[in-house]
Amino acid sequence: AQKITQTQPGMFVQEKEAVTLDCTYDTSDPSYGLFWYKQPSSGEMIFLIYQGSYDQQNATEGRYSLNFQKARKSANLVISASQLGDSAMYFCAMMCFMNYGGSQGNLIFGKGTKLSVKP
Amino acid sequence: NAGVTQTPKFQVLKTGQSMTLQCAQDMNHEYMSWYRQDPGMGLRLIHYSVGAGITDQGEVPNGYNVSRSTTEDFPLRLLSAAPSQTSVYFCASSYSWGDTGELFFGEGSRLTVL
Repeated sequence: AQKITQTQPGMFVQEKEAVTLDCTYDTSDPSYGLFWYKQPSSGEMIFLIYQGSYDQQNATEGRYSLNFQKARKSANLVISASQLGDSAMYFCAMMCFMNYGGSQGNLIFGKGTKLSVKP
Repeated sequence: NAGVTQTPKFQVLKTGQSMTLQCAQDMNHEYMSWYRQDPGMGLRLIHYSVGAGITDQGEVPNGYNVSRSTTEDFPLRLLSAAPSQTSVYFCASSYSWGDTGELFFGEGSRLTVL
């Protein structure tokens, strides 16, 4: 079965510093994608970044980068130069593309990490 | 563009009552889905649809019904509400099932069942 694990319920980071949010995943599907979403206190879900399992390079989007370590099945989100507006819940999610135990084509979410940025 | 629109944003029900959460998207997306979000649980998939007339169950489908008669609309029905269904519900859509692009979310509907 596919599973996403985020082991950090909450984290603090000083403004302007970098922070890494951990995400590990479990799947036997050789073809999958990994996503990160941000949920501010207002509640909306904001897409941040995507990494495909066959992508050779780590994905980057502005201050966000995804540290993809396939052998370790980890897809950590790195936020550089943290800002106060980065305070939010962050969800790691996975989508599998082949029929390995169901759920293919749908996003499976982790339980989230609450990031607090201190001024 | 309206994107994904959910109504109502807030609802209070008594146990046993029924209601429908509405979801509409104006992006001509084939794929639509419903998630529920509970504290400490992340988002869990309830039902999804890969196109008009086609629906399937997700991880937590019990107590919920869906239908997809048009591309635009994907309502979620609670036939007999239970306190365990107190949650925040999100509707989401994307171009197609298995799309590696962004999954567009509605603003959420907060449901309380007393």
